[in-house]
Amino acid sequence: IAGITQAPTSQILAAGRRMTLRCTQDMRHNAMYWYRQDLGLGLRLIHYSNTAGTTGKGEVPDGYSVSRANTDDFPLTLASAVPSQTSVYFCASSEGSPLRQFFGPGTRLTVL
Amino acid sequence: KQEVTQIPAALSVPEGENLVLNCSFTDSAIYNLQWFRQDPGKGLTSLLLIQSSQREQTSGRLNASLDKSSGRSTLYIAASQPGDSATYLCAAYTDKLIFGTGTRLQVFP
Repeated sequence: IAGITQAPTSQILAAGRRMTLRCTQDMRHNAMYWYRQDLGLGLRLIHYSNTAGTTGKGEVPDGYSVSRANTDDFPLTLASAVPSQTSVYFCASSEGSPLRQFFGPGTRLTVL
Repeated sequence: KQEVTQIPAALSVPEGENLVLNCSFTDSAIYNLQWFRQDPGKGLTSLLLIQSSQREQTSGRLNASLDKSSGRSTLYIAASQPGDSATYLCAAYTDKLIFGTGTRLQVFP
């Protein structure tokens, strides 16, 4: 079944540790996105990539980095996790912007 | 800066009712307005996308309207069912997709 997969499903992480959230899509979409979802704040864009080899900053990029080496994969890295990065992280993709976005199942991250 | 607001935050209705969810946005220079459904602990499912040049879109029992000049969109759900229970999110696309905080809908039998 075509779609977006995210790994891990959930993770508990000690503050200061490095963590990479994985995202893979098999729809050959050009654009990919990372959001975080927090109670009362809704979804906020962290980073995006309009096409392989390019990335851009969203609304809340600090503390996060991304890479887009190929069309299918868009990993999100927390270089040194802090408790305020406790959240649910969603990866999404679209054929291009500003087209319909398709979302993965999410990764629930807890930073202690 | 685009801000998206959804009212009400929560809604509980009996099965069979027709209902309207509201979404407002502050910057009318949007490319499109998207509606999503989110079930507890799950990702978002795209329901409808209305281009800025369109007034409405329909899918089954769902109808979404867009009034750019007033900065409003509504999602109409006809003959609601318990399976419609979920959180509904709207998002306005200017240079990126900006989400509202959602309306949590419960439809009881």
